[in-house]
Amino acid sequence: AQTVTQSQPEMSVQEAETVTLSCTYDTSESDYYLFWYKQPPSRQMILVIRQEAYKQQNATENRFSVNFQKAAKSFSLKISDSQLGDAAMYFCAYRWPRGSSGDKLTFGTGTRLAVRP
Amino acid sequence: DSGVTQTPKHLITATGQRVTLRCSPRSGDLSVYWYQQSLDQGLQFLIQYYNGEERAKGNILERFSAQQFPDLHSELNLSSLELGDSALYFCASSQRTSTDTQYFGPGTRLTVL
Repeated sequence: AQTVTQSQPEMSVQEAETVTLSCTYDTSESDYYLFWYKQPPSRQMILVIRQEAYKQQNATENRFSVNFQKAAKSFSLKISDSQLGDAAMYFCAYRWPRGSSGDKLTFGTGTRLAVRP
Repeated sequence: DSGVTQTPKHLITATGQRVTLRCSPRSGDLSVYWYQQSLDQGLQFLIQYYNGEERAKGNILERFSAQQFPDLHSELNLSSLELGDSALYFCASSQRTSTDTQYFGPGTRLTVL
């Protein structure tokens, strides 16, 4: 079964600094998708970034970028120029696009990010 | 705003009761997913529908059921409620299935007293 591990329950970063959140996953598949979702205090789940496993290039969305290491099964999220609005719970998620399990997302346990002014 | 709507936002009920949670997917999305977020279990997949048909089941209890209607909105029915069913229930939708990103609604917070 696919599992997703986020080993940092909490992280803290100074405003305007850079922080990296870690995620590892376990899968025997070669074709899959990885996501980072953000959950602010409003509890809304907001997509931050998406990575297709077949792409070697790391995904980037403005201040957010990933370091995708397929062989190591690692998918970390880097937030540059951190802002107060980045304070939230961040979830790493895996999706295996085929099979009897459908298209479900498997989530990690989350990392709570605090941003210090 | 993801374009996915869920009603109600909050629901407070008693043990043993039955409730219905409603989800309207983004315009054009055919696939609907239900997830449960609780303190002890984290975020867990419950069930997926695609164009009216059940596609996959996850950790969904037998007391829970869902359906997707011809207009593509979906309902999650929770019956014989227990204290442990208190959670945030999310609906997500995607355009089709395997390659599309899932966009989440704001969730329904269920409190069982």
